[in-house]
Amino acid sequence: AQTVTQSQPEMSVQEAETVTLSCTYDTSESDYYLFWYKQPPSRQMILVIRQEAYKQQNATENRFSVNFQKAAKSFSLKISDSQLGDAAMYFCALLYGNKLVFGAGTILRVKS
Amino acid sequence: DTGVSQDPRHKITKRGQNVTFRCDPISEHNRLYWYRQTLGQGPEFLTYFQNEAQLEKSRLLSDRFSAERPKGSFSTLEIQRTEQGDSAMYLCASNGGYTDTQYFGPGTRLTVL
Repeated sequence: AQTVTQSQPEMSVQEAETVTLSCTYDTSESDYYLFWYKQPPSRQMILVIRQEAYKQQNATENRFSVNFQKAAKSFSLKISDSQLGDAAMYFCALLYGNKLVFGAGTILRVKS
Repeated sequence: DTGVSQDPRHKITKRGQNVTFRCDPISEHNRLYWYRQTLGQGPEFLTYFQNEAQLEKSRLLSDRFSAERPKGSFSTLEIQRTEQGDSAMYLCASNGGYTDTQYFGPGTRLTVL
């Protein structure tokens, strides 16, 4: 079975600081895709970043980067220079076939 | 590109009633997905269409649930004889071509009283 685990139900970060959200997963596939999605309160889910498992290089999108450790099946998200607008629920997801398998999410709070 | 849209955004119904939700994907996307998200949890896959063909259904999709995509464009999700356990956010997503990234709509929040 494909599973995604986010062990941090909630995280807090000071504005302008850096925070790392953890995600581990389990899959029997050798090639797969991983995603981080952001879901602000009462707003729709948007893609933050994606990683293709066959690529060694960690994905980066502006202030967002990942630390992808394939052997350890770990896929953490680092947010640099945190902003108030980063406050949201963050979901880690694994693409299995055509469906996404999501973790339970991490609520990120940003303090001013 | 107007994004994925869903209608209605909120639905309150009484137990035992039938409800139907609509999803309009991004216009050039031929793949469409339905997910269900309960409070404080991540979304769970329900079903997937490629064009008008329903190619995969989760066992979460009981006999009371049915989804259609008759012309390969918009899709509907119907829940018959609703139960309180059906209360959730129902999310639609779409993609197409060579992209694996799924783009989500705003969701329909269902409350069953």
